Amino acid sequence: GENVEQHPSTLSVQEGDSAVIKCTYSDSASNYFPWYKQELGKRPQLIIDIRSNVGEKKDQRIAVTLNKTAKHFSLHITETQPEDSAVYFCAATDGRNYGGATNQLIFGTGTLLAVQP
Amino acid sequence: SQTIHQWPATLVQPVGSPLSLECTVEGTSNPNLYWYRQAAGRGLQLLFYSVGIGQISSEVPQNLSASRPQDRQFILSSKKLLLSDSGFYLCAWRVAKTEAFFGQGTRLTVV
Repeated sequence: GENVEQHPSTLSVQEGDSAVIKCTYSDSASNYFPWYKQELGKRPQLIIDIRSNVGEKKDQRIAVTLNKTAKHFSLHITETQPEDSAVYFCAATDGRNYGGATNQLIFGTGTLLAVQP
Repeated sequence: SQTIHQWPATLVQPVGSPLSLECTVEGTSNPNLYWYRQAAGRGLQLLFYSVGIGQISSEVPQNLSASRPQDRQFILSSKKLLLSDSGFYLCAWRVAKTEAFFGQGTRLTVV
């Protein structure tokens, strides 16, 4: 099955700097890669996603890049702000077939991002 | 619009007691349903998933079980809780190849 590794586990940046979080996955059949943000005590919420037919996607200060050959994808946050502080999770679809239903979402171990004012 | 309800929000249970967490989804049909556990506020571990009524798959061996008695209802249970069952439990749903939507979570403390 799919295995997703995420680095770093913690990241501290100064307000205004950029932050980069990297993930690797093992299943070459994976084709959907979302990123979630989880604030303390709350549910994870989608911030951006990318599909395997696209190499890069951007939404304001957030961008995601995908390298299918190397099986890694990254989250880039520019001009970080204190409200960006949270735990960020990457995920990848598991390429196994569950009777024709949708694939699993296997999550990385999370990155605790702290933006220092 | 689709919504997901998960309850209770917090729960304190003694070791050896039973557990029942419930999750319901509104506004969608035949969703994939998932239970995740998050220990120490970090990684999301997939516990169970279901592709339909009565169909449950387990990702890891554990002291927990899951059931799906109705299309939009997913229940996480245990007959006897262990201290190691403490954590933040999240229910989620997904249709087609899209994002997963999470419930508000249940903070379980086993004492």
